[in-house]
Amino acid sequence: RKEVEQDPGPFNVPEGATVAFNCTYSNSASQSFFWYRQDCRKEPKLLMSVYSSGNEDGRFTAQLNRASQYISLLIRDSKLSDSATYLCVVKKDSNYQLIWGAGTKLIIKP
Amino acid sequence: EAEVAQSPRYKITEKSQAVAFWCDPISGHATLYWYRQILGQGPELLVQFQDESVVDDSQLPKDRFSAERLKGVDSTLKIQPAELGDSAMYLCASSLAAGSTMNTEAFFGQGTRLTVV
Repeated sequence: RKEVEQDPGPFNVPEGATVAFNCTYSNSASQSFFWYRQDCRKEPKLLMSVYSSGNEDGRFTAQLNRASQYISLLIRDSKLSDSATYLCVVKKDSNYQLIWGAGTKLIIKP
Repeated sequence: EAEVAQSPRYKITEKSQAVAFWCDPISGHATLYWYRQILGQGPELLVQFQDESVVDDSQLPKDRFSAERLKGVDSTLKIQPAELGDSAMYLCASSLAAGSTMNTEAFFGQGTRLTVV
């Protein structure tokens, strides 16, 4: 079993809809969590960190559930420009190791 | 805004040749990562440095790959000899060391796209 798992998708979503994806992790010692966005043939870019209390940045909401060992990303009022691959990252603060999911592909359709 | 610099952006090489990639992390970032990413997959860690020391190179194919960060700043990743299966995007990232009160997210360079022919 992979340490970090994501549904690869693609998620085909109409513009304006709300979409959510989860990411599960297996190591309970993991301390920090992030969502990255990656456009085709570009480098990953940080979308948002995920805090224990949950956090929101505009149309994006990230949540952490330590008991069930998953993080989630919710996108409201989706835009065409949200089409990308969303990568979940779990960081072990003991050795700064980053564990990456394979990504969830999102396609927003007009 | 500070950036991670990588060069070259693109590299085409023949199999069995040597190839090298360079990365200059964001100033002050102690942790440096080299990743390989194949289209449709997540980044795969090749090597992780903390300052000049290797923290994790368990996934680095050491018969052909080598990496160094001699002064704990910029880093070089080398492949010799290159094989067809090495064609991929090679990404460098850096982050502040854990223990800092600041966020410890990783920032990526634009990557080097390697094609081995």
